Amino acid sequence: KQEVTQIPAALSVPEGENLVLNCSFTDSAIYNLQWFRQDPGKGLTSLLLIQSSQREQTSGRLNASLDKSSGRSTLYIAASQPGDSATYLCAVPPGNTPLVFGKGTRLSVIA
Amino acid sequence: DGGITQSPKYLFRKEGQNVTLSCEQNLNHDAMYWYRQDPGQGLRLIYYSQIVNDFQKGDIAEGYSVSREKKESFPLTVTSAQKNPTAFYLCASHFLTGQTGYTFGSGTRLTVV
Repeated sequence: KQEVTQIPAALSVPEGENLVLNCSFTDSAIYNLQWFRQDPGKGLTSLLLIQSSQREQTSGRLNASLDKSSGRSTLYIAASQPGDSATYLCAVPPGNTPLVFGKGTRLSVIA
Repeated sequence: DGGITQSPKYLFRKEGQNVTLSCEQNLNHDAMYWYRQDPGQGLRLIYYSQIVNDFQKGDIAEGYSVSREKKESFPLTVTSAQKNPTAFYLCASHFLTGQTGYTFGSGTRLTVV
């Protein structure tokens, strides 16, 4: 059964720092990997989708990488801002089945 | 604009009552999903449907029921058999081709009173 682990569970950084969030998964037979952002009491907002054939995706200050063979993905946030404070979730679909989520990393960016 | 609409945003349930959460999408997505979110537990799958008039149980289906009579709609009923229904419920959808990711609604917070 696919398991997704996110490290660290919580992270607090000063504004302007570059940071990396980690995601690992146990079954490398994935179609893609998706990173989401969740603000308190809100739904999930998709940040980046990496197909299994890709190594990375970029959107603005965000860059996500995927290494299927090692079962790892990282989300890199450049020049962090207080508005980046949220919980970040990664999720993978085992084959063509529903997404399995990690428990998330709660990020606080201090001004 | 295309998206997923969940309603209501907040819902209160009395003991022994059944309540229904609405989820509607206008993205023409094939598949729809219901997840439950509790503090410290992450998102857990309740039910999903990949085609109209068909659905499958997820990891925590007991005490819940669903229907998929239309492609756009996937309502979730929380029955009185669900002993601990207080949680945040999220609906999602996507194309089965997998070329685009999942889209989520804004959620419904259900509280037992």
